Amino acid sequence: SQKIEQNSEALNIQEGKTATLTCNYTNYSPAYLQWYRQDPGRGPVFLLLIRENEKEKRKERLKVTFDTTLKQSLFHITASQPADSATYLCAPGGYQKVTFGTGTKLQVIP
Amino acid sequence: SAVISQKPSRDICQRGTSLTIQCQVDSQVTMMFWYRQQPGQSLTLIATANQGSEATYESGFVIDKFPISRPNLTFSTLTVSNMSPEDSSIYLCSVETNTGGGYTFGSGTRLTVV
Repeated sequence: SQKIEQNSEALNIQEGKTATLTCNYTNYSPAYLQWYRQDPGRGPVFLLLIRENEKEKRKERLKVTFDTTLKQSLFHITASQPADSATYLCAPGGYQKVTFGTGTKLQVIP
Repeated sequence: SAVISQKPSRDICQRGTSLTIQCQVDSQVTMMFWYRQQPGQSLTLIATANQGSEATYESGFVIDKFPISRPNLTFSTLTVSNMSPEDSSIYLCSVETNTGGGYTFGSGTRLTVV
């Protein structure tokens, strides 16, 4: 069955550093992969989508890579800020269906 | 992107009762999606609601337990029926965004069954 793995442990980094979050998937060939941010008590907020034929995508301080051979996506936040502290979910998807990972909690320490 | 108004934001319900959750979207959308997020877990899709047809349920979810209505292109309800403590969870509705991919989510309904 499809499986999505994200760092289960929280990631603590110092303000100003680059945070890197990992998403691995198995038994799956998604056409695209999405990343979301979720704050406590709120619904997820869409950040970026990268398609299977794209290697990298950027949006402001965010960068996502997608390696279909490794079945892995990396999500980078450069110059991290305490306001970036949240849980980040990866969500591989295909035709009209998206499956969410359990998320990685990021804590940016001032 | 679309704005979703979901209510109630939270509720505490007695075992055996039912709760209906409402989602209102500020634009017309073809499909609306209902998710459940149990504590510490990922989002699990319950069903997809299309206007004018019955909802499509995912494996493990049935219409008798989670009836869904979709009377028009901007509104949907999810009812959690005959609740038990195992139904305590956050329930979210979502729609596809029009541009850039991704989904827009409501703020969620935190349900506690006692």
